Amino acid sequence: DAKTTQPPSMDCAEGRAANLPCNHSTISGNEYVYWYRQIHSQGPQYIIHGLKNNETNEMASLIITEDRKSSTLILPHATLRDTAVYYCIVRAENTGNQFYFGTGTSLTVIP
Amino acid sequence: SAVISQKPSRDICQRGTSLTIQCQVDSQVTMMFWYRQQPGQSLTLIATANQGSEATYESGFVIDKFPISRPNLTFSTLTVSNMSPEDSSIYLCSVGGQGAYEQYFGPGTRLTVT
Repeated sequence: DAKTTQPPSMDCAEGRAANLPCNHSTISGNEYVYWYRQIHSQGPQYIIHGLKNNETNEMASLIITEDRKSSTLILPHATLRDTAVYYCIVRAENTGNQFYFGTGTSLTVIP
Repeated sequence: SAVISQKPSRDICQRGTSLTIQCQVDSQVTMMFWYRQQPGQSLTLIATANQGSEATYESGFVIDKFPISRPNLTFSTLTVSNMSPEDSSIYLCSVGGQGAYEQYFGPGTRLTVT
C-alpha cells in the first residue's frame, strides 16, 4: 500500500471549514483514499473514501487532485467535537481489507 | 454498521502474566482484525483473525506472544502472553464492513502492565 504524508497538527476556529491535506504521491491506480478519525479514547471512525472523483457525505467532503497524488478532507463547519486525530490511508480494493495507519493529523478546533 | 464490544475495557496486570481480550460483534462478519496502539502512537495492525484457520500475523508479531482465536463469525479473542511493561497499550478489534470498504472499530481495551 502507498504511504501517506500528513501535517502532524492543525488548528481550526469553531464554525470555520477545516481543510486537512494528505500527500500520497506513490498511489497506484487501484488504490482508494480513505479518511478515518480517532477521538480521544475511542476507536477510529470511518469518515469517507474515494478513488478519483470528489466525494461528499453527511460528515465531510473529499477532494482528490486530478493526478491523485494528494487529497484534502474538508469539514465544512468544524465543531469542538471534531477535535480528533485524522488519518489518511490509501489501500487497494482487493488487499484483504487490512488498513495500515500512518501518524495522522491532530486537529484542534478552537472556540 | 456493526456494533462491536470488547472485554475488558481496561486492566492492570503484572509482568509475566497473560490477558485474554474478547471481541464480540452484533452480526456475522467475514474479516476481523486486531490492532495495537501504544501510548501517543498510531495504530499498528497485529493480525487478521481468520475463522476456522490460524490467524495471519503482521511482521513483528508472533503467535506465541499474541495467540488469537476465531471460533465463529461474531467472536474473537486476543491473548497477550508473558506480558512486560512494553505491552502497555490500547488493543482494538475491528471488523470489515459490507462491500469491504470501511472497517468498524471496537472501543478498545486499555492494558497497563506493571
